[in-house]
Amino acid sequence: GAGVSQSPRYKVAKRGQDVALRCDPISGHVSLFWYQQALGQGPEFLTYFQNEAQLDKSGLPSDRFFAERPEGSVSTLKIQRTQQEDSAVYLCASSFDSGVSNQPQHFGDGTRLSIL
Amino acid sequence: AQTVTQSQPEMSVQEAETVTLSCTYDTSESDYYLFWYKQPPSRQMILVIRQEAYKQQNATENRFSVNFQKAAKSFSLKISDSQLGDAAMYFCAYRSAQGGSEKLVFGKGTKLTVNP
Repeated sequence: GAGVSQSPRYKVAKRGQDVALRCDPISGHVSLFWYQQALGQGPEFLTYFQNEAQLDKSGLPSDRFFAERPEGSVSTLKIQRTQQEDSAVYLCASSFDSGVSNQPQHFGDGTRLSIL
Repeated sequence: AQTVTQSQPEMSVQEAETVTLSCTYDTSESDYYLFWYKQPPSRQMILVIRQEAYKQQNATENRFSVNFQKAAKSFSLKISDSQLGDAAMYFCAYRSAQGGSEKLVFGKGTKLTVNP
C-alpha cells in the first residue's frame, strides 16, 4: 500500500481482556517498529523487527506484551490481561532497509487503545 | 541511555513569521542521526527534516531548517514563513548509528500554534 496501515483505529476494552493490534507496513520495507505514546508524551519504543526476526524487544513493558511478524510483513501487537495503564496510542512504523540507517521511519495513524 | 529534551511544551507564532523550536540531547556516541517529526491531530507522525551527526552543514527542507550544534548537543528547528498548516505537535528524535540500534528516542514534544 501507499503507507503504513494500522487497525483498528480505535479500540475499547475492559480491564483484563486481551487485545490485538495490527500493522501492515509499506510493501518491501524490511524494518518494522512499535511505539507506545501516552497522552501528552512522545512515543516510546516497544519492539523492532527486521523481516520476521524480532531483534529488539527491550521496550516491552511486561510479559503481557507480545509482538510477532511471522512472514516478515504484517505484524501484530498483542496485549494480554489489559490494565488501565495500557491506555495509549500504539504507533507502528516501517523503514526500507535496516542496513542504511538514515532511512526514515514511516508511521501509521496509530491505534488509540482505551482500557475501561 | 540516550535522552532527548524539548524544553518548550508550547509555542505560538503569527502566520508568516519565524519560530524556533529547541531540542537538546544527551549521548556518549559520536555518530548518530537526528530528526524532527510533526504530528497533527490525525496522529500520523510526518518526517520534517533529518540530520546526520557527521555532517557539519545544517539540513534544510524548504521553509524548515535546523541549527545543529554537536558540541552543545543542540538541534533546534526553525520554521520560516509559518503557515496555518504548520500547527501541530513537533517531536525531536535521536537514533544511534551503531548497528542493531534502530529505535528512535523521542522528546516529549512542543505544541506549535499558528495564529492568523
